Amino acid sequence: GAVVSQHPSWVICKSGTSVKIECRSLDFQATTMFWYRQFPKQSLMLMATSNEGSKATYEQGVEKDKFLINHASLTLSTLTVTSAHPEDSSFYICSALAPPAGELFFGEGSRLTVL
Amino acid sequence: KQEVTQIPAALSVPEGENLVLNCSFTDSAIYNLQWFRQDPGKGLTSLLLIQSSQREQTSGRLNASLDKSSGRSTLYIAASQPGDSATYLCAVADYKLSFGAGTTVTVRA
Repeated sequence: GAVVSQHPSWVICKSGTSVKIECRSLDFQATTMFWYRQFPKQSLMLMATSNEGSKATYEQGVEKDKFLINHASLTLSTLTVTSAHPEDSSFYICSALAPPAGELFFGEGSRLTVL
Repeated sequence: KQEVTQIPAALSVPEGENLVLNCSFTDSAIYNLQWFRQDPGKGLTSLLLIQSSQREQTSGRLNASLDKSSGRSTLYIAASQPGDSATYLCAVADYKLSFGAGTTVTVRA
């Protein structure tokens, strides 16, 4: 099946620094990718929809200046958490929509810990 | 606004028993419905995708049904094994994706 690679799988950073997470579709082109956040024992929360070549669409309540999304190519989307704070610590997951059936494939997730 | 509900929230069964996981959604105008598995601390693994025009999909011991008119999908897992222990999520696609909170399954050896 289709593979989505997410990197890094875990990262620890100091408060105030920025962290970039990459999401790559390895064997298909994805015009649409999604970024999610998951708190412990809770469901995924959609943060934003990333469309190649255009600005991301953010869900209500998600700060677009804090969570910068760039979908510069058909196989890569990045999420940058700017000026990270401890409350940004979470599990971030990306997914990519694979043609032609629109099946969704997920990355393995990135665990961010902000000290 | 689409709302997706999964019942039960948790399920514990002895090995060999069949599993039945339920997913309901409020708006039947969907594009597709997908079932995922999530292991602790991991990303999601796609299990089955059902297009809106389909009524069921099967893969090995897994069978998922879709009844759009009643807003329901059911995931059946036959002859459960300890390795089936995980959280199972359903996601409904209309103009966006909506996830249920998941059903956490424990299969006891």
